[in-house]
Amino acid sequence: DVKVTQSSRYLVKRTGEKVFLECVQDMDHENMFWYRQDPGLGLRLIYFSYDVKMKEKGDIPEGYSVSREKKERFSLILESASTNQTSMYLCASSWAGSSYEQYFGPGTRLTVT
Amino acid sequence: GQNIDQPTEMTATEGAIVQINCTYQTSGFNGLFWYQQHAGEAPTFLSYNVLDGLEEKGRFSSFLSRSKGYSYLLLKELQMKDSASYLCAVSENTGFQKLVFGTGTRLLVSP
Repeated sequence: DVKVTQSSRYLVKRTGEKVFLECVQDMDHENMFWYRQDPGLGLRLIYFSYDVKMKEKGDIPEGYSVSREKKERFSLILESASTNQTSMYLCASSWAGSSYEQYFGPGTRLTVT
Repeated sequence: GQNIDQPTEMTATEGAIVQINCTYQTSGFNGLFWYQQHAGEAPTFLSYNVLDGLEEKGRFSSFLSRSKGYSYLLLKELQMKDSASYLCAVSENTGFQKLVFGTGTRLLVSP
């Protein structure tokens, strides 16, 4: 079974802190994705990566950066957390190619106070 | 860009059939996915359509009409465990697998 894991299920941080969210997949997938999910807005793509050290901006990259040093690991970084970044963050991975489904991790509920 | 529209909420009775519609507008279409998401859990893959027509998978079927920018997910013999959100997602033709999700349809199945 494909497994996508995220470092924390719940996280509480203060405004201005640097926050790291980690995601690991065990299926040797080329593609990895970071989304945030908010009520009424659905899943929105922040960044994705199609190979090690490669990254592409999604629809809402402002305030975020990413790192992919190894194929199995994709990190999301909030350089200076703000209250409007309080959200559910979901990581996903997939094989390369448009017809392959994405496998999602369990999510990290981040609260910025 | 993409614009994806699906109803916010639907209700149905156990054993019944329900159809969840999704309409989209896109500058480049490369397939449509349906995902199921139970409350507090990750989305899981249900179906993928890239050609027109109906794809059947057990109690679930998905239909696509590319000319109309329209898809539906059909759930038969509804069970209580089908209470979940159903997410429609369109794959953009960017050369990479970039999905744009609708806001989801919350389905409530009652006894």
